[in-house]
Amino acid sequence: GQNIDQPTEMTATEGAIVQINCTYQTSGFNGLFWYQQHAGEAPTFLSYNVLDGLEEKGRFSSFLSRSKGYSYLLLKELQMKDSASYLCAVRDNQAGTALIFGKGTTLSVSS
Amino acid sequence: DAGVTQSPTHLIKTRGQQVTLRCSPKSGHDTVSWYQQALGQGPQFIFQYYEEEERQRGNFPDRFSGHQFPNYSSELNVNALLLGDSALYLCASSLYGTSGGQQETQYFGPGTRLLVL
Repeated sequence: GQNIDQPTEMTATEGAIVQINCTYQTSGFNGLFWYQQHAGEAPTFLSYNVLDGLEEKGRFSSFLSRSKGYSYLLLKELQMKDSASYLCAVRDNQAGTALIFGKGTTLSVSS
Repeated sequence: DAGVTQSPTHLIKTRGQQVTLRCSPKSGHDTVSWYQQALGQGPQFIFQYYEEEERQRGNFPDRFSGHQFPNYSSELNVNALLLGDSALYLCASSLYGTSGGQQETQYFGPGTRLLVL
């Protein structure tokens, strides 16, 4: 089966760096996605990893290790508007192109 | 460039009733996926439509059904509503593909919040 784990909650202060971890177990890994979801809104796409390594996009970076079933999302120079839920999702060959989501990590950024 | 749109934004129904939710995909996309997101949980995959056919289905009962139209828009129907069906229903659109790749990234609409009383 498939299983995705991420911390439930994290807190950080403005200007800091935070790392949100995600571990997964799938039968046929075919890509990992990170989405940001503000309360009451739709998830918005942040990043995609299918090969090992780091993908950088401005203040956000995402890392993948397929052998360890592990990813992280790194947020730099935190801003108050980064307070949101961060969803890790995996695509598994056995599930086609459906996304399997973790429960999400709620990040609270304080001043 | 129009993004994914969904209607209605909010809906209140009573147990046993039926509901239809609608979704228009992002311009250029041909595939629509539906997800259910309960409060405090991640989205759960319901099913996916491409070329007006259900291509994949998650672990949801037959009370959940759908349709895709020739213009790629889609409907989600839920019959015999239960209290547990109260959730945010998200539609995501993408380009169809089976090889995997960023071009198949799913983009979400604002969702329909359904409350069953």
